[in-house]
Amino acid sequence: EVQLVESGGGLVQPGGSLTLSCAVYGFTFNDYYMDWVRQVPGKGLEWVARSRSKAKGYSTEYAATVMGRFTISRDDSKNSLYLQMNSLKSEDSAMYYCARGRNDNGFWGIDLWGQGTLVTVSP
Amino acid sequence: DIQMTQSPTTLSASVGDRVAITCRASQTISSRLAWYQQKPGKAPKLLIYRASSLESGVPSRFTGSGSGTEFILTISSLQPDDLATYYCQHYNSYPLTFGGGTNVEIK
Repeated sequence: EVQLVESGGGLVQPGGSLTLSCAVYGFTFNDYYMDWVRQVPGKGLEWVARSRSKAKGYSTEYAATVMGRFTISRDDSKNSLYLQMNSLKSEDSAMYYCARGRNDNGFWGIDLWGQGTLVTVSP
Repeated sequence: DIQMTQSPTTLSASVGDRVAITCRASQTISSRLAWYQQKPGKAPKLLIYRASSLESGVPSRFTGSGSGTEFILTISSLQPDDLATYYCQHYNSYPLTFGGGTNVEIK
């Protein structure tokens, strides 16, 4: 079964760090771009970061709101995606979703989402 | 950044009604647009990609149309199971951005 399973969320103090993980099942992980998308409860969706596939050298993209503080990475041998979050702020509090990219003639959308892991940044 | 603007914010309709949600991009995105459905407490689910291509397993009452800067998601006959928030998203460039969402309520 194709599945994305996030873990690692929790309560962290402002200025602290946290690493989220996403375990991937049921597809050839290294062929796909992968994303993190977040959502403040009751609010809209915000794309956070992208890791391109092995074929594209695992290059990355970030939203301006997290650039320099968050790092997306992946371990294809473990079929896992990560998000290292440093210098956390209260506005980073959200549900974080791991998501799989969908190739549309070289432009990559998103076609599959995990169930999310909740991050709360509070004293 | 490309801004995505959805309307209406909330839509209330009866079972069997035809409903439409509009999404406008602040600059042209060709057909690089997806629609997602998010039910309460659940992750988003892909409905439409490439503006008008129906994702496998999605009921045929959902259709997408448009290109350039204006796009429409239509539900031809609203069902109770369609209670959800719907989001559009472009994937033309970085950052990927989403519309603000349309909350569909059943009368």
